[in-house]
Amino acid sequence: EVQLVETGGGLVRPGSSLKLSCATSGFTFSNTWMNWVRQAPGKGLEWVALIKDKYSNYEANYAESVKGRFTISRDDSKSRVYLQMNTLRDQDTATYYCTRSPGDYWGQGVMVTVSS
Amino acid sequence: DVVMTQTPVSLSLAIGQPASISCKSSQSLLGTSGKTFLNWILQRPGQSPKRLIYQVSKLYSEVPDRFSGSGSETEFTLKISRVEAEDLGVYYCWQGTHFPRTFGGGTKLELK
Repeated sequence: EVQLVETGGGLVRPGSSLKLSCATSGFTFSNTWMNWVRQAPGKGLEWVALIKDKYSNYEANYAESVKGRFTISRDDSKSRVYLQMNTLRDQDTATYYCTRSPGDYWGQGVMVTVSS
Repeated sequence: DVVMTQTPVSLSLAIGQPASISCKSSQSLLGTSGKTFLNWILQRPGQSPKRLIYQVSKLYSEVPDRFSGSGSETEFTLKISRVEAEDLGVYYCWQGTHFPRTFGGGTKLELK
């Protein structure tokens, strides 16, 4: 059974950092591209970042709204994908989901609240 | 960026009625591989999104066959032949052909 479990969310001040983790199981993680997608309260879905597999040199792509502040990474030995979020803004408040590319499995999401 | 435009924004239907949701992209979603990476997902109230359809028209194994997807290039449609109670929620189309990936604004299906 495929499982994706996000952790690491919380309440932080603007300008601070937070690192999300997504633990996966039930599939061959090392050859799977992974995404982070977020959803602000009461809003629609917004793609955040994608990391490709080792065969694509772990290439990463980002939404313009997070480029230069967020970093997606992965640890194939642990079947985990991460999202390092720096210089957080109020507008980053959202539920963050990790999802396999092409979006066939989604985690339950983790809430990040940025507020002073 | 590819803009994904979904219509209608909301649908209010009785059980057993058909449903149709349109999704239009600002650029062709036909990739260099010859595949079109247009997906549909459903987010039920209080839940994370669930998969429905990939590559325009391919249903995931657990999705009932009352759902269907069609379209090409820039115009796509999700249809439900007969709405059931479990179908309520917000439907999103999203594209996996171009970076950045982009989502439609969502279509809320409510039961009348």
